[in-house]
Amino acid sequence: GENVEQHPSTLSVQEGDSAVIKCTYSDSASNYFPWYKQELGKGPQLIIDIRSNVGEKKDQRIAVTLNKTAKHFSLHITETQPEDSAVYFCATPLRGFKTIFGAGTRLFVKA
Amino acid sequence: KAGVTQTPRYLIKTRGQQVTLSCSPISGHRSVSWYQQTPGQGLQFLFEYFSETQRNKGNFPGRFSGRQFSNSRSEMNVSTLELGDSALYLCASSSNRGGAETEAFFGQGTRLTVV
Repeated sequence: GENVEQHPSTLSVQEGDSAVIKCTYSDSASNYFPWYKQELGKGPQLIIDIRSNVGEKKDQRIAVTLNKTAKHFSLHITETQPEDSAVYFCATPLRGFKTIFGAGTRLFVKA
Repeated sequence: KAGVTQTPRYLIKTRGQQVTLSCSPISGHRSVSWYQQTPGQGLQFLFEYFSETQRNKGNFPGRFSGRQFSNSRSEMNVSTLELGDSALYLCASSSNRGGAETEAFFGQGTRLTVV
């Protein structure tokens, strides 16, 4: 089936702490896993992505890990800052040129 | 490089009317996808176009339609508007050719309110 489950729906952390968001997908043929950040009044912005031939990818304070056997991938944000507060979406393209998105995680970073 | 441009940014329409939204992709991108975003349903796929051909369509009624022009610009149309069509409509472009594993870049969206 076509499904991407994302958890948690809301996450509140103290500035400087780490945040982890996890997504589980169902299509075993999926091989590309992007993460998007959406700020109020704006469209989603791609922040990091990973392809199925690697298990982890880092870009400064953000990283994504992929476990193809378990069909899940996670977003890790370290040393969180107030400007990290936003809604984060995982996604995965399916066969047939269609991308499905997780339900989103609203991240609050408290100063 | 200019980003994805959607027009208009905001729109208020009355039930029963029809509306057309426009999306200009990043230069060189030939794939355009449309999504409906609502608080309750999240981001829902509407359709995807590549080189003027619709390659996939989501589970939306026939009132939702779209098209793509030879310059890759795309429009989507919603006829006989219902209150439930109120949403943020997002367009994304990518250089996607044979597969879906390429970066997609979103526009700011068009906020449609149906009254």
